[in-house]
Amino acid sequence: DSGVTQTPKHLITATGQRVTLRCSPRSGDLSVYWYQQSLDQGLQFLIQYYNGEERAKGNILERFSAQQFPDLHSELNLSSLELGDSALYFCASSPPTGVGRTGELFFGEGSRLTVL
Amino acid sequence: GQNIDQPTEMTATEGAIVQINCTYQTSGFNGLFWYQQHAGEAPTFLSYNVLDGLEEKGRFSSFLSRSKGYSYLLLKELQMKDSASYLCAVRDSTSGTYKYIFGTGTRLKVLA
Repeated sequence: DSGVTQTPKHLITATGQRVTLRCSPRSGDLSVYWYQQSLDQGLQFLIQYYNGEERAKGNILERFSAQQFPDLHSELNLSSLELGDSALYFCASSPPTGVGRTGELFFGEGSRLTVL
Repeated sequence: GQNIDQPTEMTATEGAIVQINCTYQTSGFNGLFWYQQHAGEAPTFLSYNVLDGLEEKGRFSSFLSRSKGYSYLLLKELQMKDSASYLCAVRDSTSGTYKYIFGTGTRLKVLA
């Protein structure tokens, strides 16, 4: 158990719909990262938040948005869903880096989205 | 920009040694990570290198050469449970924050 919690674990919806994926980082971690992994593909970086503020954006579509709340949990909103959005969406958190710390990412178990 | 290359697939025999290579290009290198990912599961952290050289952790070792933009993960005494994808990731600090960029992963099949 990485300590990162993601809900829901599985989600099936139709094209054109909107879904919200939720992530709670590990206790004490301020950074949250979202990744998309399509079938047999690598992890594509979507967006990063640090202590409530957006810090970096990757290949995130305009139909997708995210936010991090004061309690540090984060939500990824996916709208106008298309078949190609079917994927595993991972959230990860990282502790602060520093002496003796590697700052590796800890991943949640992912939310598997299926768009029909 | 950033670019990470690793082989798509490798096959090895139980009990053998396998080396998975990774080459990368990034302007703000701040560390290299290896993760293991079983199908449909979350990636789990294996190793971290930020300085040149070899880091050993039980059956797993990872090597880094920053001047060559090269790393490898060495798995010894392979077991069937090592069948998984191995992801090379670079932490980049170019934009003033840390971005973790992943390669597409190497799918390792361990045969009996």
